[in-house]
Amino acid sequence: EVQLVESGGGLVQPGGSLRLSCAASGATFGNYWMHWVRQTPGEGLVWVSVINIDGSVTTYADSVNGRFTISRDNAKNTLYLQMDGLRAEDTAVYYCTRNKYYYGMDVWGRGTTVTVSS
Amino acid sequence: QSALTQPPSASGSPGQSVTISCTGASSDVGAENFVSWYQQHPGKDPKLLIYEVNKRPSGVPDRFSGSKSGNTASLTVSGLQAEDEADYYCSSYAGRTNHLVFGGGTRLTVL
Repeated sequence: EVQLVESGGGLVQPGGSLRLSCAASGATFGNYWMHWVRQTPGEGLVWVSVINIDGSVTTYADSVNGRFTISRDNAKNTLYLQMDGLRAEDTAVYYCTRNKYYYGMDVWGRGTTVTVSS
Repeated sequence: QSALTQPPSASGSPGQSVTISCTGASSDVGAENFVSWYQQHPGKDPKLLIYEVNKRPSGVPDRFSGSKSGNTASLTVSGLQAEDEADYYCSSYAGRTNHLVFGGGTRLTVL
């Protein structure tokens, strides 16, 4: 069974940085595009970013473009999200997800919480 | 990219059918057949119910079905069961920007 486990969340001041990681197990990580999706407590889901199989194609939501960087290390079965210039509105649970169908995400991690506050 | 529009709530009695709508634009829902639906129970991670408008992953009951007309996609839950009470989200690929956009979510209550 495929599992995704996020880590790296925490409390950070506005303007600060965090690096999220997502460790994949149970399947061939390098065969799939991967996404980051976030959810504010009590709110809906918001797509953040996607990366293709070899990391050569990345796309970002307008709200994070230029501040966040998605990357992957297929040898380590790990997905990353480098978050710089964090703002209060970036506070959310961040999910790592697997893209199996065309932008349909069939496996989700349990999420890691990012809180941006002074 | 604007979020897709879903009704904030829906409800039905056990055994009934409920349809949840998801309205987008010609640049996303209307442009592609890449609409997905997710179910999320409180405190849990989302689960994929429908992909590519009307396809079900293995293990998803056929009580869940999807469709699309123009810029509006729909999820129908037939034979409502108590366990169907959850939040439901639609999403669509927006080809021109290579983005994904979600709906605001619909809370389904089984009366």
